Amino acid sequence: GQQVMQIPQYQHVQEGEDFTTYCNSSTTLSNIQWYKQRPGGHPVFLIQLVKSGEVKKQKRLTFQFGEAKKNSSLHITATQTTDVGTYFCADQTGANNLFFGTGTRLTVIP
Amino acid sequence: ETGVTQSPTHLIKTRGQQVTLRCSSQSGHNTVSWYQQALGQGPQFIFQYYREEENGRGNFPPRFSGLQFPNYSSELNVNALELDDSALYLCASSWSGQGKETQYFGPGTRLLVL
Repeated sequence: GQQVMQIPQYQHVQEGEDFTTYCNSSTTLSNIQWYKQRPGGHPVFLIQLVKSGEVKKQKRLTFQFGEAKKNSSLHITATQTTDVGTYFCADQTGANNLFFGTGTRLTVIP
Repeated sequence: ETGVTQSPTHLIKTRGQQVTLRCSSQSGHNTVSWYQQALGQGPQFIFQYYREEENGRGNFPPRFSGLQFPNYSSELNVNALELDDSALYLCASSWSGQGKETQYFGPGTRLLVL
């Protein structure tokens, strides 16, 4: 069955440092969505990537979809304490369901 | 805020009991998906309801069942609760046309089974 792994599992950074999480799938991804979940909260939609090689930016966040549509990445420039949380990628499958990755928990040290 | 609401926010049950969780979808949305998120893990798809009918199911046993009402709100029912059912239960609403629509998550219901 499909497996979507994210690395690293955990990341601690000093405030101001950059952060990247990688999402790797065992199968070709349909659409990739990225979510952020604050501690004790629920997943909040960040962005959707559809096309091979697509790159999208949201302020300090850069999202990339691999050329072969088997991987994706999220890069945060100059992290802030508000960036704390777990970042999930999710494959949006044919039935409009989401298959979530394992997540990367980000801690930002002030 | 997404406009998706869930009730109750927290619930404690004992093994073997039954539970019903509720979700009100965002205005204009006709599809509700339910997910189970165990501690430290990503959400796992349980099932989806579209126009009052089940429209896809994940790898969950039949004791997990659901309903969708004419106003597109939804219920998740779990019978014969097991300790491993302790989790955050999330619903997400969307408008399902023919494409890949964004799902908007509610705040979740935290279920503890003792």
